[in-house]
Amino acid sequence: DAKTTQPPSMDCAEGRAANLPCNHSTISGNEYVYWYRQIHSQGPQYIIHGLKNNETNEMASLIITEDRKSSTLILPHATLRDTAVYYCIVRVSYNNNDMRFGAGTRLTVKP
Amino acid sequence: KAGVTQTPRYLIKTRGQQVTLSCSPISGHRSVSWYQQTPGQGLQFLFEYFSETQRNKGNFPGRFSGRQFSNSRSEMNVSTLELGDSALYLCASSLEQGGNTIYFGEGSWLTVV
Repeated sequence: DAKTTQPPSMDCAEGRAANLPCNHSTISGNEYVYWYRQIHSQGPQYIIHGLKNNETNEMASLIITEDRKSSTLILPHATLRDTAVYYCIVRVSYNNNDMRFGAGTRLTVKP
Repeated sequence: KAGVTQTPRYLIKTRGQQVTLSCSPISGHRSVSWYQQTPGQGLQFLFEYFSETQRNKGNFPGRFSGRQFSNSRSEMNVSTLELGDSALYLCASSLEQGGNTIYFGEGSWLTVV
């Protein structure tokens, strides 16, 4: 699986959009981009995933560049409860469940 | 519907003992995976079970084992516990092996003293 690079930490004002970047320059054509988040002492929570098209669900939007070498997770209106570590992962979904989590980005939403 | 359920939530064991952790996947999910999370190593894949068979395995010693039952519920066992086994053990389920979306449970916090 390809590796990802994320900034170690970011701050965001409550009510504003949080844009979390992820670089995955060695991603293969059959690898998906997944985003999870983990609030302290809890299990990782699935947010969204995509292959090459932009995706949106009730939690967030995922923007993948045309060359697929990077992506951005967008939380449109961040709340204090969105404070968490956000993980960007690339994987071949039909292969196995060996999810390779990096260090992630610690997002702090401030009032 | 209910999420992935793990028991116990917290436990303390002594070095040399063994421990068994339990996981009930989301209803209808047939694949169960286990992960270990520590501050130093991050989240690491232990193994994946599908149809009662171990399909994939991470790089952990043989002291770590697991099994899956016919109802998809799974258990993992760690024998001869070491201090370094202190970690958050996470179970995750997906519809199929290598399923598109993996959902995690809240984890079992194991402290070895």
